Amino acid sequence: DTGVSQNPRHKITKRGQNVTFRCDPISEHNRLYWYRQTLGQGPEFLTYFQNEAQLEKSRLLSDRFSAERPKGSFSTLEIQRTEQGDSAMYLCASSSTVRSLHFGNGTRLTVT
Amino acid sequence: KNEVEQSPQNLTAQEGEFITINCSYSVGISALHWLQQHPGGGIVSLFMLSSGKKKHGRLIATINIQEKHSSLHITASHPRDSAVYICAVQGGSEKLVFGKGTKLTVNP
Repeated sequence: DTGVSQNPRHKITKRGQNVTFRCDPISEHNRLYWYRQTLGQGPEFLTYFQNEAQLEKSRLLSDRFSAERPKGSFSTLEIQRTEQGDSAMYLCASSSTVRSLHFGNGTRLTVT
Repeated sequence: KNEVEQSPQNLTAQEGEFITINCSYSVGISALHWLQQHPGGGIVSLFMLSSGKKKHGRLIATINIQEKHSSLHITASHPRDSAVYICAVQGGSEKLVFGKGTKLTVNP
């Protein structure tokens, strides 16, 4: 069990560029979650997968955001045409049940 | 929509003190989580509660479903307990709603 892995750890990009983050969950976990956390705030739910199916999406996830989990293993979160307001920590978590959440260390995005 | 309020926002303690962090929520839930976040972002799940009380080492978590309130207690606090403690609640879906966190600093 190597834990939940997120890459990259840090990403600095210019406004208008596209970025993609990757999350590798714990291998036997079928549930995968993306959260976003801004400074001084608690995390906010973005989206949830069970296996490869995206079952729930937050209204925070505008049409510039897309998440995939092909084959029910790793997941990617893409942000198109980044804006300064997208600067945040993007957290991934996985679980086999909702009662055993394991978080990654997050990807910190800075949009300049 | 469930609102999750934590208090205090910031807490400074001396090593050895007993610490209490509170969490209140507005709508009925199926489970409540206490999480610990260290500088750099990593989050560790401490407890998941749906009723009563749980204990793990020096940490104790309680929940009162009728009063929609939970507390996290740390006995014999230590500087390594310094972190942000976050309460999160789960309603009828997989989505967690998080509080803003309580920043704890334990001084030696």
